[in-house]
Amino acid sequence: AQSVTQPDIHITVSEGASLELRCNYSYGATPYLFWYVQSPGQGLQLLLKYFSGDTLVQGIKGFEAEFKRSQSSFNLRKPSVHWSDAAEYFCAATSGNDYKLSFGAGTTVTVRA
Amino acid sequence: GAGVSQSPSNKVTEKGKDVELRCDPISGHTALYWYRQSLGQGLEFLIYFQGNSAPDKSGLPSDRFSAERTGGSVSTLTIQRTQQEDSAVYLCASSSQGADTQYFGPGTRLTVL
Repeated sequence: AQSVTQPDIHITVSEGASLELRCNYSYGATPYLFWYVQSPGQGLQLLLKYFSGDTLVQGIKGFEAEFKRSQSSFNLRKPSVHWSDAAEYFCAATSGNDYKLSFGAGTTVTVRA
Repeated sequence: GAGVSQSPSNKVTEKGKDVELRCDPISGHTALYWYRQSLGQGLEFLIYFQGNSAPDKSGLPSDRFSAERTGGSVSTLTIQRTQQEDSAVYLCASSSQGADTQYFGPGTRLTVL
């Protein structure tokens, strides 16, 4: 079955430190991959997406993600976090001939001063 | 409009009552999706519209749930005889076509007392 896994439920990081959020997928073929962010009481905002091509994808708010086919991973990174990055982050995937998104369980990021 | 809008933002209802949730997609987007976000289940796909037709209703949890879309634009999700387990945030998304990037609205938080 197609699935997306985010192994980390909660991550705490100091302001200014680097951040990496893990995402693994299980699909028959390479899916389309997305990272969304959700602040409290808000909807989902798209950070970045990967469809094909360059495996390092740049997104908004200084985030980037790297697609690694050999590891079935699409990890999200930011070199230096800001207090405003505290939120819940969701990795999602859909196959090329599908439309419904499958989401990971989400990772909550806490930023400490 | 600039983004996906949903109304109401919050809805509190009594068990057994019917509720209607509205979604207004991004202008020109032909595909529309409903998802449900709950504590125990994470983000779940409910239904997908392409134009006014719903080729995939597989995610609707019971026959108490129905949705329609008129004029290829606004969609309404109706829950009849609400139950406490229906309490969740209902998110709507739209895309320019199926299997494309989905943009989400702010959601409707439904509380069933």
